[in-house]
Amino acid sequence: GESVGLHLPTLSVQEGDNSIINCAYSNSASDYFIWYKQESGKGPQFIIDIRSNMDKRQGQRVTVLLNKTVKHLSLQIAATQPGDSAVYFCAENLQDTGRRALTFGSGTRLQVQP
Amino acid sequence: DTAVSQTPKYLVTQMGNDKSIKCEQNLGHDTMYWYKQDSKKFLKIMFSYNNKELIINETVPNRFSPKSPDKAHLNLHINSLELGDSAVYFCASSQDLKDQPQHFGDGTRLSIL
Repeated sequence: GESVGLHLPTLSVQEGDNSIINCAYSNSASDYFIWYKQESGKGPQFIIDIRSNMDKRQGQRVTVLLNKTVKHLSLQIAATQPGDSAVYFCAENLQDTGRRALTFGSGTRLQVQP
Repeated sequence: DTAVSQTPKYLVTQMGNDKSIKCEQNLGHDTMYWYKQDSKKFLKIMFSYNNKELIINETVPNRFSPKSPDKAHLNLHINSLELGDSAVYFCASSQDLKDQPQHFGDGTRLSIL
């Protein structure tokens, strides 16, 4: 099995509770942000995105909040389920001479206790 | 119906060998990427191609050479493999270079002996 990600910050929640995962991004010029979920042995899976002209966006059971003043992004998961257990990454899209490269944060492991 | 597929899923080889990883997407996207994920789960962009044209080439050793025969394929060839190349390599694609989510394959775990 995988022995990676042992040093990731971990958020442990009870099934049914709400989860909040936080991310600080680095570049004030970033204008597009994405949250990804990565399960063991899989690639990152798109959850939700937000553009810099918005401060909140809602999906199914998930909400992303963007605070450009302090360069902070959060992902809220309502009624967390065991299937939500994974590593969560925020990513910012850097404006850099049109390269549009995604820069990923370091990840947070979410553990849902049944 | 896999959208972004990579082969092989696991690759175990010896130092000094040359190996390739293949990636194909059936989403009709114009842009494809290669990322490297290290043992601490840190994901970093290596290359991106848009319509077969190289757009991003991060500070990756020139032992790594991407090749895009058509816009649905982006292969990664690695020469003279080193121990530090051990990682999980992810291919991804997006509609274009604008603000669109990237869709990832399930990765290729490369282990160098």
